[in-house]
Amino acid sequence: DTGVSQDPRHKITKRGQNVTFRCDPISEHNRLYWYRQTLGQGPEFLTYFQNEAQLEKSRLLSDRFSAERPKGSFSTLEIQRTEQGDSAMYLCASSRPNQPQHFGDGTRLSIL
Amino acid sequence: QQQVKQSPQSLIVQKGGIPIINCAYENTAFDYFPWYQQFPGKGPALLIAIRPDVSEKKEGRFTISFNKSAKQFSLHIMDSQPGDSATYFCAARRAGAGNMLTFGGGTRLMVKP
Repeated sequence: DTGVSQDPRHKITKRGQNVTFRCDPISEHNRLYWYRQTLGQGPEFLTYFQNEAQLEKSRLLSDRFSAERPKGSFSTLEIQRTEQGDSAMYLCASSRPNQPQHFGDGTRLSIL
Repeated sequence: QQQVKQSPQSLIVQKGGIPIINCAYENTAFDYFPWYQQFPGKGPALLIAIRPDVSEKKEGRFTISFNKSAKQFSLHIMDSQPGDSATYFCAARRAGAGNMLTFGGGTRLMVKP
């Protein structure tokens, strides 16, 4: 049973560096979502793709964040010039249209 | 602005007890209400979900009660076990919003043996 896969699981970087995370959704799921979860809080929506089209972006997604899903399969989330406040768990989820979202185990980002 | 409010923040029950977690929402455009369970170091896993045209849904030991007029819903865990110790999140989806979920703040449940 292949679920949503995220890589890396952990990333430690210095403030000001760029980081990129990858998400491989469940095959045949055409919707893909990114969420951010800080310690002790619920996940917060960042952005959403249907196939390769990015259809919605949260106000949380500042100009330093960019997400792509070039061929409608895997997706990448890049954070440029990382800041202390970017430390969080970045979660990816996928779904079929109007079906439940299935989450990966996330990438935990720590900014030194 | 928190659109889904969840309580309590933490809960301790004895094995066999029935923990109850409550959520309230404001946006009447929400049309789907799932509950997720999350263990440390893992992503949220869907437990059970309900739509507003149903007042109760049961799956195994998990039951959702839904009160549309009060804009509240709750999760009951029957015969709770130590393995149920986890963080539970309620969520809501706005119709036409591409399945985007708004989550509550979470409830950390501990079930004592």
